[in-house]
Amino acid sequence: AIQMTQSPSSLSASIGDRVTITCRASQGIRNELGWYQQKPGKAPKLLIYGASNLQSGVPSRFSGSGSGTDFTLTISSLQPEDFATYYCLQDYNYPWTFGQGTKVEFK
Amino acid sequence: QVQLQESGPGLVKPSQTLSLTCTVSGGSISSGGYYWTWIRQHPGKGLEWIGYSYYRGSTYYNPSLQSRVTISVDTSENQFSLNLTSVSAADTAVYYCVRGSVGTCSGGTCSSLDFWGQGTLVTVTP
Repeated sequence: AIQMTQSPSSLSASIGDRVTITCRASQGIRNELGWYQQKPGKAPKLLIYGASNLQSGVPSRFSGSGSGTDFTLTISSLQPEDFATYYCLQDYNYPWTFGQGTKVEFK
Repeated sequence: QVQLQESGPGLVKPSQTLSLTCTVSGGSISSGGYYWTWIRQHPGKGLEWIGYSYYRGSTYYNPSLQSRVTISVDTSENQFSLNLTSVSAADTAVYYCVRGSVGTCSGGTCSSLDFWGQGTLVTVTP
């Protein structure tokens, strides 16, 4: 199975900060990667698919980039509702595999 | 708006079978291009993809669970289900039913998990 490694595991940030989370695949996965946001006690929510495509209804401050093995999720200006855990997911081949998550906390 | 709702026992005894059902509303489970998926999350941990069933019956399971898992679709009820046999404490988790989608995007076709149920906690306990 393809291993997905996210960094950092957690970060502290303030409202308005630019936040960057990275995800590295153990082998090339083209652009077949998504990003998901999960708040405590809630189901994950799709933010980005195909590495860089913004899901309908998701604020434009979220963006994704990358291809091959290295990917990035960027939040351009952190808002109070963005404090959550973020997961990447490779959908290049089965079994689909998630990164271990990045928890974004308030500084 | 598509909605998914899990149902089933919250407690299962070791060695027994965990059975969950997901009811889909706001769309037909027989629509092409969707993969009816189960994902689980151990308490305080990350996410694990269990597998999917297409409405026509094709399936794919995580090799780590393949010998114990079955996912099936009931088009007449607009539901899909998860059966996991011979459970142990390691199967205690929140189980999510999810719609997997395949569509077009920049760069070709893209997959995603676009609609999720709220999740249901299943605890394996004697």
